[in-house]
Amino acid sequence: NAGVTQTPKFQVLKTGQSMTLQCAQDMNHEYMSWYRQDPGMGLRLIHYSVGAGITDQGEVPNGYNVSRSTTEDFPLRLLSAAPSQTSVYFCASSSGTEDFFGQGTRLTVV
Amino acid sequence: GQQLNQSPQSMFIQEGEDVSMNCTSSSIFNTWLWYKQDPGEGPVLLIALYKAGELTSNGRLTAQFGTTRKDSFLNISASIPSDVGIYFCAGRFNFGNEKLTFGTGTRLTIIP
Repeated sequence: NAGVTQTPKFQVLKTGQSMTLQCAQDMNHEYMSWYRQDPGMGLRLIHYSVGAGITDQGEVPNGYNVSRSTTEDFPLRLLSAAPSQTSVYFCASSSGTEDFFGQGTRLTVV
Repeated sequence: GQQLNQSPQSMFIQEGEDVSMNCTSSSIFNTWLWYKQDPGEGPVLLIALYKAGELTSNGRLTAQFGTTRKDSFLNISASIPSDVGIYFCAGRFNFGNEKLTFGTGTRLTIIP
């Protein structure tokens, strides 16, 4: 049972580049979410989805897009990377009572 | 955006000592969760609390859901080296609304 799988684990981007962080879960959870983790700030919610075709903004959505075409996948897109988006990104899926996190993507924007 | 106030920010203890950390919020939560994060990994759920006043144990870990619904604490007894990591509290407001609000974390270091 893979749980939540994130790719890539590490990425370096130049300012202005775009990219997609992939997230897949095999637990058939309806709820999925993306967080970013910065030193001393804990995890902050970027976007979330309550099911295929339904997404909504979290606390820090600017500069990020999401879509949810299937239950399994919830990709996060950076439209035009900025140094302020240097962070560790976590994808999570929830059973309603327990949240399962991926291993994270460490992104550096130079 | 709202974040939970978690304290202390860091702790340096000797192996075998007990550890206490807490989390407070200006808003009510209906669920409190405690996570541990190891370096290079995502958070892993330790304990979940669903009822005000609830006291729940998981091995050497004990957590309580405050009666006001605005706070929670986590105790670790007889710490061991593998307890090292960052501990996060998280609150969920509505049943069926899975959005989590996280605390800022407590970094636990064990001094040899």
